[in-house]
Amino acid sequence: DADVTQTPRNRITKTGKRIMLECSQTKGHDRMYWYRQDPGLGLQLIYYSFDVKDINKGEISDGYSVSRQAQAKFSLSLESAIPNQTALYFCATSAGFGTQYFGPGTRLTVL
Amino acid sequence: QKEVEQDPGPLSVPEGAIVSLNCTYSNSAFQYFMWYRQYSRKGPELLMYTYSSGNKEDGRFTAQVDKSSKYISLFIRDSQPSDSATYLCAMMRDTDKLIFGTGTRLQVFP
Repeated sequence: DADVTQTPRNRITKTGKRIMLECSQTKGHDRMYWYRQDPGLGLQLIYYSFDVKDINKGEISDGYSVSRQAQAKFSLSLESAIPNQTALYFCATSAGFGTQYFGPGTRLTVL
Repeated sequence: QKEVEQDPGPLSVPEGAIVSLNCTYSNSAFQYFMWYRQYSRKGPELLMYTYSSGNKEDGRFTAQVDKSSKYISLFIRDSQPSDSATYLCAMMRDTDKLIFGTGTRLQVFP
């Protein structure tokens, strides 16, 4: 089984809808991250969490929120989706020092 | 100006060639330097990790960091079609937050 799993893998939704992307990990890491990836822009950090009670905004947090339900679970929500949030979303975990392990990604399309 | 600059490519080479991938950066506080490989429709995976300046070798891969020039490189020897992927450089100061380059797409043809 994969160490970092993301659900759903693909999602098409409409403008204004609320969407939740889920991430689970079995690596036992405290640190978890949400990124989005757009062509030509690379990976941009949305939110990160160093433990269950520590959640921090990244570079591009506007329009997103997160919930750290447990050490192993970190969810990303789009409260009211808009078309420019169409992107590939990745969850990652880390034990520290930059060695991050990524999930397979969720391809989100907002119409 | 972006903190990390990386040529997006694509870079197309024949099998067996030596490949050189590069990134430049502007923040002298970066201490940790990484290369991630991303296959199409997959998440990035850590390929090489270097702390501070110097070289690190792992099989066909060599990572090089020149902090005085703010320049890092990844060399791939005897490139294979299976090396075809996007290569992302990444850097970190001390807080476990990575700054990524935009990635270079590499294609190795038989």
